[in-house]
Amino acid sequence: ETGVTQTPRHLVMGMTNKKSLKCEQHLGHNAMYWYKQSAKKPLELMFVYNFKEQTENNSVPSRFSPECPNSSHLFLHLHTLQPEDSALYLCASSQERTAIQPDGYTFGSGTRLTVV
Amino acid sequence: GNSVTQMEGPVTLSEEAFLTINCTYTATGYPSLFWYVQYPGEGLQLLLKATKADDKGSNKGFEATYRKETTSFHLEKGSVQVSDSAVYFCALRANNLFFGTGTRLTVIP
Repeated sequence: ETGVTQTPRHLVMGMTNKKSLKCEQHLGHNAMYWYKQSAKKPLELMFVYNFKEQTENNSVPSRFSPECPNSSHLFLHLHTLQPEDSALYLCASSQERTAIQPDGYTFGSGTRLTVV
Repeated sequence: GNSVTQMEGPVTLSEEAFLTINCTYTATGYPSLFWYVQYPGEGLQLLLKATKADDKGSNKGFEATYRKETTSFHLEKGSVQVSDSAVYFCALRANNLFFGTGTRLTVIP
């Protein structure tokens, strides 16, 4: 266990469905992230939340909607997805500190999403 | 901009062979550098890191040295085991964490 828990581990959804991915971190970190991992492509950073405020949205389509109600929880709400959205969605967290060399991120095990 | 380039693989080695996975980076400023490992069905785990030039990160027999002059952070292990079979990602941390495409390593007995 890394301290970052993602649920569900696997999800199959139709293109007209609405579902949500959940991420919870028990590390006391103050920043959380969503990444998308597709075959043969670099990990794509989707969203960044720092102190619960969204600080980055890397041109992600509006069918992906993040929510960060507090510094321990992060959601990714999904609706009207396309088959090309099938991928492994990874959540990560970190402790952001000023004036100190930035540290790495701690990742969850991911949600394997299949859109049919 | 910030980017990471690593050898594509896949890499297949026999047990106890020497491993090198090349990684070079482009960055503005002085990033921290990382190697992450992803075992089948799992998320990414931090393997080692280096935060400034000439630092050597090491863990579980793996090593990588931050070379500013060649903008490289190559991963090495002297004697690989079957349990090292995984995908290895080089990454740099500027404002956010940027990853390479990953290198799949398979170690055969």
